[in-house]
Amino acid sequence: EADIYQTPRYLVIGTGKKITLECSQTMGHDKMYWYQQDPGMELHLIHYSYGVNSTEKGDLSSESTVSRIRTEHFPLTLESARPSHTSQYLCASRPPSGGATDTQYFGPGTRLTVL
Amino acid sequence: GESVGLHLPTLSVQEGDNSIINCAYSNSASDYFIWYKQESGKGPQFIIDIRSNMDKRQGQRVTVLLNKTVKHLSLQIAATQPGDSAVYFCAETSSFSGGYNKLIFGAGTRLAVHP
Repeated sequence: EADIYQTPRYLVIGTGKKITLECSQTMGHDKMYWYQQDPGMELHLIHYSYGVNSTEKGDLSSESTVSRIRTEHFPLTLESARPSHTSQYLCASRPPSGGATDTQYFGPGTRLTVL
Repeated sequence: GESVGLHLPTLSVQEGDNSIINCAYSNSASDYFIWYKQESGKGPQFIIDIRSNMDKRQGQRVTVLLNKTVKHLSLQIAATQPGDSAVYFCAETSSFSGGYNKLIFGAGTRLAVHP
């Protein structure tokens, strides 16, 4: 079982507010990911990181930004939240290649509602 | 383009029956496949994975079958229990270009287990 944490679990916020979604993992994984998921739908990759000071945009365009200053921490920021940002945001991490598994382990998610 | 899709959006089964969830993929270069279970309000949970050098892998009550000829993946759950009710996602990735860095998710199949 993976130890990956996300806070807050639920967030309701007004339009125009700046928000930061936190993601932390205690496994020393170098690769971390952010996905966006609408209810009952597939996951879409919005950001990923290969390690400290590495960030890349994912397959789905997003107005959010990320940073990776520490291995264990991969926060996602929205400078000005809009109703179209309402969704579930899932963070994941993966162990280095060459191990028993290459799967990504997911946090519990943050459900964001922008009014 | 690359895609991973599922044949059945919803699967209803009786408790105690076996369940089979199917998934088709289109990227011939994919060589690692993962099944995830996602319960309501939670992040995806790893169930089982399989590499392309295998055609079958068994876990506890679950079996994954891979047919590379027709690009088909299935998840079999034996003696389905109410706790198995969830949305199941298949995901694919490729070691091409440096490692299993991106997962491509299908749309998900909802499994409903009835007593």
